[in-house]
Amino acid sequence: GESVGLHLPTLSVQEGDNSIINCAYSNSASDYFIWYKQESGKGPQFIIDIRSNMDKRQGQRVTVLLNKTVKHLSLQIAATQPGDSAVYFCAENINPTGRRALTFGSGTRLQVQP
Amino acid sequence: ETGVTQTPRHLVMGMTNKKSLKCEQHLGHNAMYWYKQSAKKPLELMFVYNFKEQTENNSVPSRFSPECPNSSHLFLHLHTLQPEDSALYLCASSQDLRTGDEKLFFGSGTQLSVL
Repeated sequence: GESVGLHLPTLSVQEGDNSIINCAYSNSASDYFIWYKQESGKGPQFIIDIRSNMDKRQGQRVTVLLNKTVKHLSLQIAATQPGDSAVYFCAENINPTGRRALTFGSGTRLQVQP
Repeated sequence: ETGVTQTPRHLVMGMTNKKSLKCEQHLGHNAMYWYKQSAKKPLELMFVYNFKEQTENNSVPSRFSPECPNSSHLFLHLHTLQPEDSALYLCASSQDLRTGDEKLFFGSGTQLSVL
C-alpha cells in the first residue's frame, strides 16, 4: 500500500520574529523535560531542559515554559534566525531514578523566512 | 562533532543480508541507547544499556540484536530485515541512568534502506 509519512506541524516565521513551539505531554508523573533541535542529516541536538519543580528556564535566546496544570511545554526562540530552521522535539522522562529513557513527541518543523 | 560517532552514515542492504551498525561515544558516559526514527513515527526507543548491562528492550523484534562490549561502544546487529525497517537509526549516550541526568547526546545516525 501507499506509505504515508508522519505529518509534522509546521511553524513559519519571519527572520527576526519570536517563535513559540508548543508541546503537550501525557504523563502527569513526568518530572523532566527537554527540547531538541534536529537539522536535516543530523541527529537531535540538546537545546534546553527543565525539571518539574520549575516553571520557566532561560538559555541563550531560548526560554522553556512548563505548565504542569495543563501538561503543556513550550519553547520560545527570540529573534529567530535562518539557522534556527529545523525540526524541534520535546521529550519527557517520568522518574529520575527509573530506568525509562526519554520519550519523544512527534516534532514541529520551524521554517524561517528571510 | 557531537562526541557520539556512528558508522556507517548510510547503509543499503537486502533482506537476507547481515550487517552491523556501530556507535562510539567519547564523552565518558555510562549509558547508551538505540533509537529508531522513521518517516511514519516519532523517535522510538529500542534498547538501553547502563554500564554494559541491558536495562530496556522496547519489544524490538529479534532480527535486531544489540551488543554493548563496554561503556563506550554499542553495536546493532541486523539480519533478515524487512523493508519497513528502513529508517534512521540513532545512537545516544547519557551520563548514568542512576544519577537522574537524563540528557541524551545523539550521533548523526545511520540511514538504513532495506531492499
